[in-house]
Amino acid sequence: NAGVTQTPKFQVLKTGQSMTLQCAQDMNHNSMYWYRQDPGMGLRLIYYSASEGTTDKGEVPNGYNVSRLNKREFSLRLESAAPSQTSVYFCASSSRSVTEAFFGQGTRLTVV
Amino acid sequence: QQQVKQSPQSLIVQKGGISIINCAYENTAFDYFPWYQQFPGKGPALLIAIRPDVSEKKEGRFTISFNKSAKQFSLHIMDSQPGDSATYFCAASISNFGNEKLTFGTGTRLTIIP
Repeated sequence: NAGVTQTPKFQVLKTGQSMTLQCAQDMNHNSMYWYRQDPGMGLRLIYYSASEGTTDKGEVPNGYNVSRLNKREFSLRLESAAPSQTSVYFCASSSRSVTEAFFGQGTRLTVV
Repeated sequence: QQQVKQSPQSLIVQKGGISIINCAYENTAFDYFPWYQQFPGKGPALLIAIRPDVSEKKEGRFTISFNKSAKQFSLHIMDSQPGDSATYFCAASISNFGNEKLTFGTGTRLTIIP
């Protein structure tokens, strides 16, 4: 089982460039999430999607947009990357009740 | 505002010892408290979780202790092993008919030394 797959694993962007982080899950989960992980800050929720066709802001949504393309896929877009967005990004999914959230391997993004 | 406060930031324990990580929360509506384990280069993975209707849950060498009145919960790792060296995150959420979101603590880097 692949679980939650994120692409790419590593990316370096220049300030002002745009990019989309891709996430797909094969567990038929309804809910999907994007977190960012920074040293000393833990994991902070950027956006989440409780079901196909719905998205909501989390704790730190500024500078990001998301698309829940279908039940399997949830993408995160940076329209104009800033150095403050240098981080490790994790996608996660869970069934209707978040008794267990499954995480991808992460995308390490550096903005120079 | 940190809704879930975790301590210590780092912890070094000798092999065979007990590792203890503490978390405190503010929102009394939280009703699900999981702990996640993360190895370098990997995503977090669920280790053990508890709901506030019980004060303790044990799975193998891992135990969660929960104090509802103090709004605190802790992870105890008995007989700690080098393979337990990882970063541990506590978290909390509110049951909301499929609209739950996890709020994480800041993490504890645990190192088990021989």
